[in-house]
Amino acid sequence: SAVISQKPSRDICQRGTSLTIQCQVDSQVTMMFWYRQQPGQSLTLIATANQGSEATYESGFVIDKFPISRPNLTFSTLTVSNMSPEDSSIYLCSVATGTYTDTQYFGPGTRLTVL
Amino acid sequence: GNSVTQMEGPVTLSEEAFLTINCTYTATGYPSLFWYVQYPGEGLQLLLKATKADDKGSNKGFEATYRKETTSFHLEKGSVQVSDSAVYFCALSDAGANSKLTFGKGITLSVRP
Repeated sequence: SAVISQKPSRDICQRGTSLTIQCQVDSQVTMMFWYRQQPGQSLTLIATANQGSEATYESGFVIDKFPISRPNLTFSTLTVSNMSPEDSSIYLCSVATGTYTDTQYFGPGTRLTVL
Repeated sequence: GNSVTQMEGPVTLSEEAFLTINCTYTATGYPSLFWYVQYPGEGLQLLLKATKADDKGSNKGFEATYRKETTSFHLEKGSVQVSDSAVYFCALSDAGANSKLTFGKGITLSVRP
């Protein structure tokens, strides 16, 4: 497994602003993922972030709204841009350890409230 | 496409009761199957997994068996505790390098003392 931390753990933001969420892993991992969990809902994959390449976004998510960086094998950021109250969610990063492993381990999440 | 269906919740049980949470899936190929648990105010934790038909995953007294013939992965525990109160998510992963997870809606379990 891997130990994953996220910053901030929670934030309250004004509409129209942007927030960058950091995800740090205690070991080098190939694949990192960003998910959104809207209130009372399940998890939805936003994008897959592999080091050295552009993030791959799922249907309904675009780079202008959710830019992602992956500068090295232990770190990634997700920015939620031009926020609206509909962006209020928990954002979680996860990692898959190894190229072909299918098991993901999750960070503690960032609880975002947009006013 | 892939999908995961969980039984409707919430579920409320008394301590030491038997637990079953149903999960069925639709997938092409041979996915891996997972149960994740989310305790109040925390992120997701992997509870157990199974990677092929008839595999049984187990952890912390919970068990689930990968049933290809019924496309199911039901979660069971013989005697629940108050500390098991959480949200439980069933999920599947595409076979191959993509590791993309598809989650069910989740079910809230509350255990009364």
